[in-house]
Amino acid sequence: GQQVMQIPQYQHVQEGEDFTTYCNSSTTLSNIQWYKQRPGGHPVFLIQLVKSGEVKKQKRLTFQFGEAKKNSSLHITATQTTDVGTYFCAGDSGSARQLTFGSGTQLTVLP
Amino acid sequence: EAQVTQNPRYLITVTGKKLTVTCSQNMNHEYMSWYRQDPGLGLRQIYYSMNVEVTDKGDVPEGYKVSRKEKRNFPLILESPSPNQTSLYFCASSLFRGRGTEAFFGQGTRLTVV
Repeated sequence: GQQVMQIPQYQHVQEGEDFTTYCNSSTTLSNIQWYKQRPGGHPVFLIQLVKSGEVKKQKRLTFQFGEAKKNSSLHITATQTTDVGTYFCAGDSGSARQLTFGSGTQLTVLP
Repeated sequence: EAQVTQNPRYLITVTGKKLTVTCSQNMNHEYMSWYRQDPGLGLRQIYYSMNVEVTDKGDVPEGYKVSRKEKRNFPLILESPSPNQTSLYFCASSLFRGRGTEAFFGQGTRLTVV
């Protein structure tokens, strides 16, 4: 079945440093979604990427979808303490009836 | 307010005692699903439902049951809970499937089976 790998599992950064998490799928994806889960909270939708090579920005967050539509990344510029949480990618192969979530990257931002 | 509501938020139970976790959404969404979250494993789908009376297995369905008698409700049933079902459970809904619509998650239910 479809597998979505996400690295790193944990990342500690100093406030102001950049952060990147990477997602790789074993199959070509129809689209990919990103979610953020704050500590003790529930996943909240951030964005969806659909097109090959697509790049989207949300303030300090930059999301990319690979040309082959099998990988994606989330980059945060100049992290802030409010960025703390776990970031999940979720791949949709189109033919499957469900999203397949990566294992998540837990981001800690040290003040 | 648009939301997905799960109950209870916390539950401690004993092995073998049947339990139900309720999930309700007020957004008229067609698609609902249940996930369990375990450290290092991310979110794994247990069951999903494309619409009323239409349910199917996800990646980890063993030991769970669901039903979808009404569009808004999607309860998760553990007929005979075991300690390996200790986990954080999330219900999610989305408008439909197949075109990548965003999923809205409930607040979560932390279940401990002793």
